[in-house]
Amino acid sequence: SQKIEQNSEALNIQEGKTATLTCNYTNYSPAYLQWYRQDPGRGPVFLLLIRENEKEKRKERLKVTFDTTLKQSLFHITASQPADSATYLCALDQRGKIIFGKGTRLHILP
Amino acid sequence: SAVISQKPSRDICQRGTSLTIQCQVDSQVTMMFWYRQQPGQSLTLIATANQGSEATYESGFVIDKFPISRPNLTFSTLTVSNMSPEDSSIYLCSVAVGQGEGGYTFGSGTRLTVV
Repeated sequence: SQKIEQNSEALNIQEGKTATLTCNYTNYSPAYLQWYRQDPGRGPVFLLLIRENEKEKRKERLKVTFDTTLKQSLFHITASQPADSATYLCALDQRGKIIFGKGTRLHILP
Repeated sequence: SAVISQKPSRDICQRGTSLTIQCQVDSQVTMMFWYRQQPGQSLTLIATANQGSEATYESGFVIDKFPISRPNLTFSTLTVSNMSPEDSSIYLCSVAVGQGEGGYTFGSGTRLTVV
């Protein structure tokens, strides 16, 4: 069956450290993968998209990698700040539709 | 990117009634997507709404329960019909930026509680 799994429901990281979130998928062949941030009571906000032929993409303190062999994406936030605390969702395209993982709640501890 | 106005932001409804959620986009878009997010869960796609044709529903969702209108390229509604407490959830609409390669923009969501 098709699955998108994100590591641990919650992740606590000390301020200033790098937070790394994992997204694994099975039985999908996405052309691209996306990462979103969701704050409580709000809709998801798009952060980054990485295509299947791209290994890595960066945006300010964010970095995403995409390994289609391992069927995995890693999402890194460097120099993390308490304001980065939120739920982060990965999403795959599947024939024009976007399928979301359950998300990882990230807490950056001051 | 597009800006979506979604309303109502929240509502408490009696079981057996219906609620219509509206999404207005500030630009013309071909497809609009409706999602449900149950407590502690991820977003689940309900249906894709194209202007001028019937919506395409995902497995587990039917038109009689979730009728959708798409009268023009900037507006759509989702109705949750004959509600039960199991319908308590957040409902979100979304549009693609470009061909989806710029990500998707979401409305702020409608938090529905059925009592």
